[in-house]
Amino acid sequence: QSVLTQPSSVSGAPGQTVTISCTGSSSNIGAGYDVHWYQQLPGTAPKLLIYRNTNRPSGVPDRFSGSRSGTSASLAITGLQAEDEADFYCQSYDNNLIASVFGTGTKVTVL
Amino acid sequence: EVQLLESGGGLVQPGGSLRLSCAASGFAFSSYALSWVRQAPGQGLEWVSGLSGSGASTYYAESVKGRFTISRDNSKNTVYLQMNSLRVEDTAIYYCARDDGDYAPRWWYFDLWGRGTLVTASS
Repeated sequence: QSVLTQPSSVSGAPGQTVTISCTGSSSNIGAGYDVHWYQQLPGTAPKLLIYRNTNRPSGVPDRFSGSRSGTSASLAITGLQAEDEADFYCQSYDNNLIASVFGTGTKVTVL
Repeated sequence: EVQLLESGGGLVQPGGSLRLSCAASGFAFSSYALSWVRQAPGQGLEWVSGLSGSGASTYYAESVKGRFTISRDNSKNTVYLQMNSLRVEDTAIYYCARDDGDYAPRWWYFDLWGRGTLVTASS
């Protein structure tokens, strides 16, 4: 069982904004550890989308943005596009487990 | 080209062993920490193990501690995962993933991933 909880699915029409939450605890996000986000298209390896809470690697559109507050973090996708259909995972560090941890994952569907 | 390429997956009986390899190219291999991340069929991502650029520091998830061993050969630009006492629940695609530098685990995030290799533990 992951220590970072995400909604199993979110959906939106093209052009809309969707937000994915990542809820942790005082031993991970709440302890100040950074949160990172990955996109996994069907049948492919994960790809880094957001690092250190708010930063986008080169080539990632600015439609993707991240934030962190307290024991939670969020990924927002604005101007939703068909090619955004994928699974999204948050990742952080947990000092109880002494390990990197991933969220439960969220499937984004474009209606 | 900057890339990671996993190999060594396959079908193994529960209780058996397997060694995965991840060959890197296109970057200064010893300057980066590396990890193995797995994904069971239809499931989410699980961090399995990681090690520092020199290989001197290693880290494991509780689920594999005592059964899996991570190592690297910086002269061959390759990282390994020796998996012993395999269980049915170890069945997954195993990805090799690179940290963006050689930092302590609390700073890790993975900016480069391989395509993965499938391990199936079944009788």
